[in-house]
Amino acid sequence: GAGVSQSPSNKVTEKGKDVELRCDPISGHTALYWYRQSLGQGLEFLIYFQGNSAPDKSGLPSDRFSAERTGGSVSTLTIQRTQQEDSAVYLCASSPTGTGGNTIYFGEGSWLTVV
Amino acid sequence: GENVEQHPSTLSVQEGDSAVIKCTYSDSASNYFPWYKQELGKGPQLIIDIRSNVGEKKDQRIAVTLNKTAKHFSLHITETQPEDSAVYFCAASGSSNTGKLIFGQGTTLQVKP
Repeated sequence: GAGVSQSPSNKVTEKGKDVELRCDPISGHTALYWYRQSLGQGLEFLIYFQGNSAPDKSGLPSDRFSAERTGGSVSTLTIQRTQQEDSAVYLCASSPTGTGGNTIYFGEGSWLTVV
Repeated sequence: GENVEQHPSTLSVQEGDSAVIKCTYSDSASNYFPWYKQELGKGPQLIIDIRSNVGEKKDQRIAVTLNKTAKHFSLHITETQPEDSAVYFCAASGSSNTGKLIFGQGTTLQVKP
């Protein structure tokens, strides 16, 4: 079935380089979320897009992190000047609408390692 | 801000026994409480959820209970099987009603055959 698709599945990058992570949500889902999961930790909210509304960026840890969602579908999370503490799994999720109580479906994640 | 606490962090049971994971939340406006199961190398998968107008929900061997007054909810797995071994996360909806979820820290469940 067409679930949430993320790429790359694994990325190793050198400290100081920029990385882009891509998310393709489930077709028709208007809400899209990015979460970060550090090793052995819970899921940390990063950013949320809902339709044409301004995104909720309240979870972005620093100004090195940014995200876009073009055409209300595909999203790209960009991390500039990567640091070792950025190493984590970046999970994208989508839901049919952005209202509370909608099931949120996760992708398999992009595993980022900064060396 | 909203906070979700989850206990225990690890849980080991014998096959066939029951497992219980507990969560508390801080925002009384939260009204949606899903539970996710995450297997190694995979994304979290929804296994059951409950809304604030319901006290208990059951789906085969899995049940969830919610106490809104005390602001806590629990996951119960009966007749555990080795394939239940995974990390389980509870979550609560944020007060902004945007669908954003606040997650607990996770419980690693090991079911010994």
